[in-house]
Amino acid sequence: DQQVKQNSPSLSVQEGRISILNCDYTNSMFDYFLWYKKYPAEGPTFLISISSIKDKNEDGRFTVFLNKSAKHLSLHIVPSQPGDSAVYFCAASATGNQFYFGTGTSLTVIP
Amino acid sequence: DAGVIQSPRHEVTEMGQEVTLRCKPISGHNSLFWYRQTMMRGLELLIYFNNNVPIDDSGMPEDRFSAKMPNASFSTLKIQPSEPRDSAVYFCASSPPSGSYNEQFFGPGTRLTVL
Repeated sequence: DQQVKQNSPSLSVQEGRISILNCDYTNSMFDYFLWYKKYPAEGPTFLISISSIKDKNEDGRFTVFLNKSAKHLSLHIVPSQPGDSAVYFCAASATGNQFYFGTGTSLTVIP
Repeated sequence: DAGVIQSPRHEVTEMGQEVTLRCKPISGHNSLFWYRQTMMRGLELLIYFNNNVPIDDSGMPEDRFSAKMPNASFSTLKIQPSEPRDSAVYFCASSPPSGSYNEQFFGPGTRLTVL
């Protein structure tokens, strides 16, 4: 059973606007969350993370929000750029080593 | 520094054949992970090693799948016999030693097609 879910397989956003990617999880033991970005024909690369002791972490144009009570996290990209077009994976961990990944959301930023 | 190296990048084989995927982790990393990516299930962890020892292989789908890590710089994932439903992209990832959470560094993947 999928412990990490990304219910939107795709998202299209105009350049300069905000992109919001969502992720839900079921395991209340998860205490560390990451977002990975994947371009075609490449492996996923780490983007940003958040620990469960925080509800927000920001890195430049990327911000991750965590709502533990709702078991929900989101990635905000502001402003969106065409180079942000990629597949974004959400991942969660309870042990530090083993991560559970979602199915990914394909983001297209339209120039 | 070289990243995680995987070979081959593409593999096309016929049902029933043996397939071996190879991975060289980043030097100094002591954890290695094998994932399978499919549209339906995203990135699934198949197995991971710590200091060359398999720690969790509960994600290995069937006995047809086996993985080895004979030393710190090399790992293989073998499928024997292969089936069309094994068609997917297989990623290897490694992470450095630490006392806390660490990001994983992924290789470029091997796209496997079983006809």
